[in-house]
Amino acid sequence: AQSVTQLDSQVPVFEEAPVELRCNYSSSVSVYLFWYVQYPNQGLQLLLKYLSGSTLVKSINGFEAEFNKSQTSFHLRKPSVHISDTAEYFCAVIKNSGYSTLTFGKGTMLLVSP
Amino acid sequence: KAGVTQTPRYLIKTRGQQVTLSCSPISGHRSVSWYQQTPGQGLQFLFEYFSETQRNKGNFPGRFSGRQFSNSRSEMNVSTLELGDSALYLCASSLGGGPKNTEAFFGQGTRLTVV
Repeated sequence: AQSVTQLDSQVPVFEEAPVELRCNYSSSVSVYLFWYVQYPNQGLQLLLKYLSGSTLVKSINGFEAEFNKSQTSFHLRKPSVHISDTAEYFCAVIKNSGYSTLTFGKGTMLLVSP
Repeated sequence: KAGVTQTPRYLIKTRGQQVTLSCSPISGHRSVSWYQQTPGQGLQFLFEYFSETQRNKGNFPGRFSGRQFSNSRSEMNVSTLELGDSALYLCASSLGGGPKNTEAFFGQGTRLTVV
């Protein structure tokens, strides 16, 4: 079975500051990794994913995450946040073979203030 | 392309009643998964249906059930509602043909309140 740990339940940050949301996972098999974002009263939207290849993946709105196999981590970063980035962020994993389902972390609420 | 549609968006029910939630996936998607989201537990997987068959199931009591129709639309039913069933229920659809096709697209959810 897989598990995901998001170490921070809330991360407050000022606008234009950098941010890192931490995600560690545990799995006995190889996995694919995802970050989802949830705005208030909305469903989840895929932010970025790692399937294979370059360990650094980027989203269109300035977020990036790096897959670190030795540390079993997939931390999400943004060099300069905006008020509109205020949302809850979920890290998720899935086995990269066979049929299985996404396992989510408990989420990190990113609170950006002016 | 239309997204994942969940109905209704909000629902208030009384303890002991039953409820049915509906999910229409993205056209062409054959997999539908259901999740329960609560502040304390986060996102918990309920079950997944693929081509009308339940393919995976989470650790929820038998009061929680679901089904999928031939057009891939899915329903989730909760019988004998308890106060603890109050949650946001999210449906996600995907192509479902293997791990690389499991990019999940979520609906806006149904907010169920049990009083």
